[in-house]
Amino acid sequence: ETGVTQTPRHLVMGMTNKKSLKCEQHLGHNAMYWYKQSAKKPLELMFVYSLEERVENNSVPSRFSPECPNSSHLFLHLHTLQPEDSALYLCASSQEGTDSPLHFGNGTRLTVT
Amino acid sequence: GQQLNQSPQSMFIQEGEDVSMNCTSSSIFNTWLWYKQDPGEGPVLLIALYKAGELTSNGRLTAQFGITRKDSFLNISASIPSDVGIYFCAGRYSGYALNFGKGTSLLVTP
Repeated sequence: ETGVTQTPRHLVMGMTNKKSLKCEQHLGHNAMYWYKQSAKKPLELMFVYSLEERVENNSVPSRFSPECPNSSHLFLHLHTLQPEDSALYLCASSQEGTDSPLHFGNGTRLTVT
Repeated sequence: GQQLNQSPQSMFIQEGEDVSMNCTSSSIFNTWLWYKQDPGEGPVLLIALYKAGELTSNGRLTAQFGITRKDSFLNISASIPSDVGIYFCAGRYSGYALNFGKGTSLLVTP
């Protein structure tokens, strides 16, 4: 048990579908992150929320839309994705403060057909 | 983000051998972290380093924050089969973003 729970673990969607990824952290942290992990590439930071406010948005296409309703929950809404968006999407959390390490969930394996 | 160079890309060793991997950056970091990722799971934090020159151990794992603040290494002593996985270094200068290396894939044969 990592303390960061992601659902679903696997998702297959067509390019015209709309779906959402969910992340919940049970660590009492107040910053949450979305990372994309593709084969043979470093983890790519997508979004950061601190105290429920978005503090970083790394030039992510608008077909990815994050939502952070409270410090324990983070969503990633997906619509009209492309096949190259297929990847492992990892959620992480940390305690406010730049020295705090990130704690990751087990990810959602997304396949776009 | 800042690109990290992690090497080697992969290692294939026998159980009981020691392992060393490293990570370098063209710019300085104030934090170095080492993670391990098993298949089908997310990265798990192994060691966190916060000061140049710092040497920290976690069981059979030892990591060091380079004096120049541009590099870090991870050593695993007396490897066992469950050490199999992908090891990632990550560095941060400031702010929230962690920059990750591409990972070192470790295979251990009994």
